[in-house]
Amino acid sequence: GENVEQHPSTLSVQEGDSAVIKCTYSDSASNYFPWYKQELGKGPQLIIDIRSNVGEKKDQRIAVTLNKTAKHFSLHITETQPEDSAVYFCAASYNNNDMRFGAGTRLTVKP
Amino acid sequence: DSGVTQTPKHLITATGQRVTLRCSPRSGDLSVYWYQQSLDQGLQFLIQYYNGEERAKGNILERFSAQQFPDLHSELNLSSLELGDSALYFCASSLIDNPNSPLHFGNGTRLTVT
Repeated sequence: GENVEQHPSTLSVQEGDSAVIKCTYSDSASNYFPWYKQELGKGPQLIIDIRSNVGEKKDQRIAVTLNKTAKHFSLHITETQPEDSAVYFCAASYNNNDMRFGAGTRLTVKP
Repeated sequence: DSGVTQTPKHLITATGQRVTLRCSPRSGDLSVYWYQQSLDQGLQFLIQYYNGEERAKGNILERFSAQQFPDLHSELNLSSLELGDSALYFCASSLIDNPNSPLHFGNGTRLTVT
């Protein structure tokens, strides 16, 4: 089964509103949680990451929170802009061997 | 630009054929990962190499194989192709042999099997 679950699969917001994407993971040994943004025709690009010794990290309009006890982490985008429209993937290190990705969230920011 | 180069960008071939996808990692990165992304699907991990050695295997079919060469570029070989193999294939690189480090993705090879 899936090791990383991501919700929602699609998200539509008005420009200026906030967007939140949530992920859960199953491997209690996971300790690295990156988020990637994939624009049409391109490969995923790292936008922010968090490690298990930190509960929250912020970079301008983007923030990520991590709850290790509950095994879930979230991406928060504030003051969304049309250029934020893309597919976002969460990921978690798995079994100390590789990175497992969520199924992705297609975010649409309406002007 | 991630610094990871994948060729070709597009590949169209027939069922039963064999293709080779190529990846040049970011300068200085020793680890190469291959992922498959089907239509509207997430990224499925296939295989990882570090400094020429296979390190981890995911859901890679027996018809698929890969290798990493001394100059650190990697090739993914897909044989006996089936319609269901049509997908985007991404290569990613990282500096170290550790899943706890950022991955840098290329722009992928779009494979269409007809």
